[in-house]
Amino acid sequence: QKEVEQNSGPLSVPEGAIASLNCTYSDRGSQSFFWYRQYSGKSPELIMSIYSNGDKEDGRFTAQLNKASQYVSLLIRDSQPSDSATYLCAVFSGNTGKLIFGQGTTLQVKP
Amino acid sequence: NAGVMQNPRHLVRRRGQEARLRCSPMKGHSHVYWYRQLPEEGLKFMVYLQKENIIDESGMPKERFSAEFPKEGPSILRIQQVVRGDSAAYFCASSPQAQQVTEQFFGPGTRLTVL
Repeated sequence: QKEVEQNSGPLSVPEGAIASLNCTYSDRGSQSFFWYRQYSGKSPELIMSIYSNGDKEDGRFTAQLNKASQYVSLLIRDSQPSDSATYLCAVFSGNTGKLIFGQGTTLQVKP
Repeated sequence: NAGVMQNPRHLVRRRGQEARLRCSPMKGHSHVYWYRQLPEEGLKFMVYLQKENIIDESGMPKERFSAEFPKEGPSILRIQQVVRGDSAAYFCASSPQAQQVTEQFFGPGTRLTVL
C-alpha cells in the first residue's frame, strides 16, 4: 500500500463547476497535510495546509480533513481554466520533517 | 526575490560527469529539503539538512549522491558519475523549522538531462 494515494485522473470539469480532489494516507499518526499545485514544467506551489479535522477555506479553495478515515480532500469552487494543473497531496512525516507526496491528480477545466 | 533560489535551472551532463546543484533557502529559513521528480512520477524525498548537519538522508541513493549545507553559502546536491537514470527535476524546499505545522516552500527546480 502506498503511503499517500491519489487518483491520477485526469479529472475533467467544466468552467464554473466544483472540482473535488481526494487523497488517502496510511500513517494514522500523521498530523499535517498539504495541497500543492504544479503546472507542467514548473515547481510545486503550496495552496493549502490543514492540521485539524474539518474544513479550512481560503478563497475558492476548501481543504477537508478526516483523520478517522485517513482522508483529505481539496475542493475548488468556480473552477477556471487557469486551475488546470496537477494537484499534489502531501503528508508530513513527523519523525524527520520530510513530506510524503501522492502521485498527483491532473485537473482539466474546460471552458 | 525572497523565495527559494536554485541554480542552474537547466543542466546537461554526459554520462560519467559530475552534476552540482545549488539551493539557497528563503530568508530566515534554516531547513532545506531536496526532492527528485522523475519523468511521469511523483515527488520523492531525498535528504533533509540544517546548517552543517544532515538530518535525514533516507531517500538518497547510497552511491554517487551527496548533499551538504555549509555554514556559509547554499546547499549543494552533488551527483557523481551521472547516468541516464539520473535525468529528472530536482527541487529544493525550505522551511523556518521542521515541526508538524511547518510549511515547505519550493524553489523553481533544476532540470538535469544526462546524455
